[in-house]
Amino acid sequence: GAVVSQHPSWVICKSGTSVKIECRSLDFQATTMFWYRQFPKQSLMLMATSNEGSKATYEQGVEKDKFLINHASLTLSTLTVTSAHPEDSSFYICSASATTVADTQYFGPGTRLTVL
Amino acid sequence: SQQGEEDPQALSIQEGENATMNCSYKTSINNLQWYRQNSGRGLVHLILIRSNEREKHSGRLRVTLDTSKKSSSLLITASRAADTASYFCATDAYNTDKLIFGTGTRLQVFP
Repeated sequence: GAVVSQHPSWVICKSGTSVKIECRSLDFQATTMFWYRQFPKQSLMLMATSNEGSKATYEQGVEKDKFLINHASLTLSTLTVTSAHPEDSSFYICSASATTVADTQYFGPGTRLTVL
Repeated sequence: SQQGEEDPQALSIQEGENATMNCSYKTSINNLQWYRQNSGRGLVHLILIRSNEREKHSGRLRVTLDTSKKSSSLLITASRAADTASYFCATDAYNTDKLIFGTGTRLQVFP
């Protein structure tokens, strides 16, 4: 149980375009979803926390107008990278939790974004 | 930055040897977790240790936690080539639902 999927697993896009990444909890309802970014050979950095039906909470230094997060249902959150640029190229990982307790996060397999 | 630090950054060993990775963190915690990440893949949860625990075992994994020193260690015994991966510790900032990840240790196990 507790499977989280991400789609797409990888995407290549041109600079200036927008890219949407989906995160789904397949067998449980996720009240909270988290979005992380990971640059090569670095650790995961939390970008934002989203709760179903409310606005996402962004970490310091993360532009909310650039990284749009929508948590429209208890099984789906989306991250849209707007007007992507090469420096946005990264590995984006989501996690989902059925509670508000940090020790129950389940991670998706990640999405590799390459912006040309 | 609240990010924890891990050492060593990289570790290379032969199959059969033990691998020890250390993690230090900065804030009070409820629990500390260890994750494994194969190159370009998602995270696999390995083990969780709560702040009132000092040691925990799971198969070939042994985790210790010293809250007075704000540090934890992960020991992998009798390592295998398949253990080659990056290992991250993650702490929950006290009374929040966020996970703060350490800088990671890249482990290479040679057959």
